[in-house]
Amino acid sequence: GAGVSQSPSNKVTEKGKDVELRCDPISGHTALYWYRQRLGQGLEFLIYFQGNSAPDKSGLPSDRFSAERTGESVSTLTIQRTQQEDSAVYLCASSLVFPSEQYFGPGTRLTVT
Amino acid sequence: GQQVMQIPQYQHVQEGEDFTTYCNSSTTLSNIQWYKQRPGGHPVFLIQLVKSGEVKKQKRLTFQFGEAKKNSSLHITATQTTDVGTYFCAGLDGTASKLTFGTGTRLQVTL
Repeated sequence: GAGVSQSPSNKVTEKGKDVELRCDPISGHTALYWYRQRLGQGLEFLIYFQGNSAPDKSGLPSDRFSAERTGESVSTLTIQRTQQEDSAVYLCASSLVFPSEQYFGPGTRLTVT
Repeated sequence: GQQVMQIPQYQHVQEGEDFTTYCNSSTTLSNIQWYKQRPGGHPVFLIQLVKSGEVKKQKRLTFQFGEAKKNSSLHITATQTTDVGTYFCAGLDGTASKLTFGTGTRLQVTL
């Protein structure tokens, strides 16, 4: 079956603009995760959703970041008033349940100019 | 909060040499997962360890979970150029509510 997909694959935006990043998880996966990876760095946890439970937002770096998930399907990560330090690859992953093995999408490369 | 460190940050080996990366947690873990990320790619799941002292093998890769469940290691025997990438561990905390990725070890293999 299809893997995790993310769109867009690349996004260039001007400082101060809002951006929306989309993630389509593997069908049937109840857990969905967002990570940020700066160039040459590790994975920085942002948020995860598990079924209908309240999401774990403990990794969101500021109130400019928010995420939603519709049921057990698509998720959107929104960054408001983007800053240059937001430039990174944003990775989405899904798993059957938390915390089983995660399947990662190809990521969205965000560049803030 | 929980911290998961990996050492070394970077290692460069010649093809055929062995390689080991170590993963150390500040707290006791419920389980640990290992992922590999090829250059320009996304992380791919390798294995999960659950039991204290557990050892699992995948061809040339050997994974070990420490007796105290606070550390883990990944050993690659006779590295190949296809092993190039960054290896991440991810530890699930004792309450099984928080999964923290390690800092990663980047492996470079040359002929």
